[in-house]
Amino acid sequence: SQQGEEDPQALSIQEGENATMNCSYKTSINNLQWYRQNSGRGLVHLILIRSNEREKHSGRLRVTLDTSKKSSSLLITASRAADTASYFCAYAGGAGGTSYGKLTFGQGTILTVHP
Amino acid sequence: GAGVSQSPRYKVAKRGQDVALRCDPISGHVSLFWYQQALGQGPEFLTYFQNEAQLDKSGLPSDRFFAERPEGSVSTLKIQRTQQEDSAVYLCASSFRVWTGELFFGEGSRLTVL
Repeated sequence: SQQGEEDPQALSIQEGENATMNCSYKTSINNLQWYRQNSGRGLVHLILIRSNEREKHSGRLRVTLDTSKKSSSLLITASRAADTASYFCAYAGGAGGTSYGKLTFGQGTILTVHP
Repeated sequence: GAGVSQSPRYKVAKRGQDVALRCDPISGHVSLFWYQQALGQGPEFLTYFQNEAQLDKSGLPSDRFFAERPEGSVSTLKIQRTQQEDSAVYLCASSFRVWTGELFFGEGSRLTVL
């Protein structure tokens, strides 16, 4: 498998707390993205960060990228019960990278937010 | 439609049967991807189409897997002589441009092989 690695595998927090998920990858990348998947549903795109960016914000989401460490983190601030889902990082590019955006996904973090 | 549509949502097949999974991408989307997602895992790439051309099929696990997109819109993933290890959710995703980053996913087709 070529999947990236995410940690933790599972995270359980209370509403209002922050949630941080980490992703590591092994190749050079063009961009890194985060997706959310509710149980039994498809994936929904959350945010994209390019390889020349270090940090990006979108609402309650903050993504960082450290290309020297080949790692990224997703921070969800002031979490809500509705944030309960699986979160996946996905990256495009690499030594044999394609020009059409083929994504390699991590194994995911299961986030549970308790009311 | 407004989003990527996949059918059937659920399919139960006996080992050895052939199955066909359909994907209707968002209208006008050039790129179409198929991914396989095993229980508790992230999606894994199967194949990619740019319009009707299948440009990458490096992720198809065996020659029992076949995908087509003959008119550059609807795509079908066919699995012949299904095996228990084929049980998974098959996700279709599309994007408007050849290189845009964000993928739009369907809800998936859950295949269970008995």
